[in-house]
Amino acid sequence: GAVVSQHPSRVICKSGTSVKIECRSLDFQATTMFWYRQFPKKSLMLMATSNEGSKATYEQGVEKDKFLINHASLTLSTLTVTSAHPEDSSFYICSAVEGAMDTEAFFGQGTRLTVV
Amino acid sequence: GENVEQHPSTLSVQEGDSAVIKCTYSDSASNYFPWYKQELGKRPQLIIDIRSNVGEKKDQRIAVTLNKTAKHFSLHITETQPEDSAVYFCAASAGANNLFFGTGTRLTVIP
Repeated sequence: GAVVSQHPSRVICKSGTSVKIECRSLDFQATTMFWYRQFPKKSLMLMATSNEGSKATYEQGVEKDKFLINHASLTLSTLTVTSAHPEDSSFYICSAVEGAMDTEAFFGQGTRLTVV
Repeated sequence: GENVEQHPSTLSVQEGDSAVIKCTYSDSASNYFPWYKQELGKRPQLIIDIRSNVGEKKDQRIAVTLNKTAKHFSLHITETQPEDSAVYFCAASAGANNLFFGTGTRLTVIP
């Protein structure tokens, strides 16, 4: 299957700083990328959908100014957690799909963010 | 938006027995229903999916059924093995690849 690489896998940052997470599709062009947040022992919560070259679509309740998403190319999307606070600590996972709707989504390995 | 509910939240079965996980969804426009397996600390992996024009799909020990009228779908794992132990998520999509996930089922297969 296709490979999606997410970096970093773990990051610890101080409260008030910003953290950038990268999601790359390594062997295919991702027309759409998705960002999820996963709390311990909980499900994946869709945060936003990003299409290359356009603004991300955020789910209800997700602060777009807090979670900045940039999808600059067909192989790269970034999530920046701005002015991070301890409650932002979580597991963030991206996924990417190629082409047609309702095709398999490939997930990155996730990033565990800890804000201290 | 779509609301996906999943039951049970935990499931323990003896090795060799079957496991069934059930999900319901709210958006009648949903037409794609994948199931993911997530092992501890790893990314979700697609194990099987079904589209709304099909009522049942099987892949070796795994099968999924879909009832569009009732808006529910189920995952069936037969002859369970210890390596089947993981968290399983159902998901639903109404197009545009937006996946909405169920709350997950932690399956434990007891040797």
